[in-house]
Amino acid sequence: GAVVSQHPSRVICKSGTSVKIECRSLDFQATTMFWYRQFPKQSLMLMATSNEGSKATYEQGVEKDKFLINHASLTLSTLTVTSAHPEDSSFYICSLAGGGGTDTQYFGPGTRLTVL
Amino acid sequence: GDSVTQMEGPVTLSEEAFLTINCTYTATGYPSLFWYVQYPGEGLQLLLKATKADDKGSNKGFEATYRKETTSFHLEKGSVQVSDSAVYFCALTPNTGGFKTIFGAGTRLFVKA
Repeated sequence: GAVVSQHPSRVICKSGTSVKIECRSLDFQATTMFWYRQFPKQSLMLMATSNEGSKATYEQGVEKDKFLINHASLTLSTLTVTSAHPEDSSFYICSLAGGGGTDTQYFGPGTRLTVL
Repeated sequence: GDSVTQMEGPVTLSEEAFLTINCTYTATGYPSLFWYVQYPGEGLQLLLKATKADDKGSNKGFEATYRKETTSFHLEKGSVQVSDSAVYFCALTPNTGGFKTIFGAGTRLFVKA
């Protein structure tokens, strides 16, 4: 399957700052990537679908101006949490859709964000 | 809308015990069904999948059969190991095009030596 990396794996920041999380596909060109948020001991909540070269599609209730997504190439999508607050602390996971038309998703290892 | 319901955890078993984690779904048509596993501090990994009715997905001793008549995709393993301790997510992708996946709430499994 595809190999997906995320950077950083952990980040601690002060309230009010912005944090950028990178999601890279190491061996596969992904036209579609997904960003999820996972609260402790809960399931994944889809935040947005990131399409290469176009604007991301956000799920209901997700603020697009707060969670900026840029899918500039077939191997890189970024999520920027702007003006982060403690309630944004969470585990953020990206995934990309499998190749060859399959519907399997390949997940990155996740980024744990802690906002002080 | 489409949804996935799986049994609440945590599930605690002794090593070599039999494991069943129940999963049922609601969807139109024939969705693809998945089990993903998440080890502590890591992202999700695909464990197994099935794409049509009566298909059996299997991997690492785990099995699940796509049951259209009962809209279920229960995960089973005959003999669990301590290393199987993780959170297991049942998921579906609707058969409507695209790759949007709907996840169940997850079931945490603890296996004791």
